Amino acid sequence: DVKVTQSSRYLVKRTGEKVFLECVQDMDHENMFWYRQDPGLGLRLIYFSYDVKMKEKGDIPEGYSVSREKKERFSLILESASTNQTSMYLCASSRGQGRDTIYFGEGSWLTVV
Amino acid sequence: GENVEQHPSTLSVQEGDSAVIKCTYSDSASNYFPWYKQELGKRPQLIIDIRSNVGEKKDQRIAVTLNKTAKHFSLHITETQPEDSAVYFCAASTGGFKTIFGAGTRLFVKA
Repeated sequence: DVKVTQSSRYLVKRTGEKVFLECVQDMDHENMFWYRQDPGLGLRLIYFSYDVKMKEKGDIPEGYSVSREKKERFSLILESASTNQTSMYLCASSRGQGRDTIYFGEGSWLTVV
Repeated sequence: GENVEQHPSTLSVQEGDSAVIKCTYSDSASNYFPWYKQELGKRPQLIIDIRSNVGEKKDQRIAVTLNKTAKHFSLHITETQPEDSAVYFCAASTGGFKTIFGAGTRLFVKA
């Protein structure tokens, strides 16, 4: 069974802090994703990666960066957290391209105060 | 850009009734349409999907229909049960890396 694990479920950070959200998948998937989930807006893609050290912008990359140094690990970085980045962040992975199942982590609730 | 619209945003049904959630997509190159279910406090999980060469697909109490001409697809849940209560997301993909999700429908099934 595919497992996508997000290390932090709940975080509270101050405005201006640097925030790291970590994600690990155990199924040797090529692709990894970071989504943001907000009520009424669905799941919006922030960044994705199709290989180690490769990254591509999604639909809302502003204010975020990512790192993929190992195949199984994909990190989301908020360089200087702002209150409008308070949200649920979902990491995901998939084996191939768009017709393959996307497996999600349980989410990280981030509150920026 | 690509867009997926989903309606309604909230749906409340009586246990045993049917529920229908509708989505439209903008990119005519879309050829794969998955549906994800997210129970309260849990991760979204794939429940059913349909490819563009098929008009309908069923899996027990759930079915999806696709109208490529109208760029419209729907999720149908029959004989709803309390455990069907969740947020449902439709999505569309052209087969590339990006899957576009709808805004979600919160389904309440009243016992």
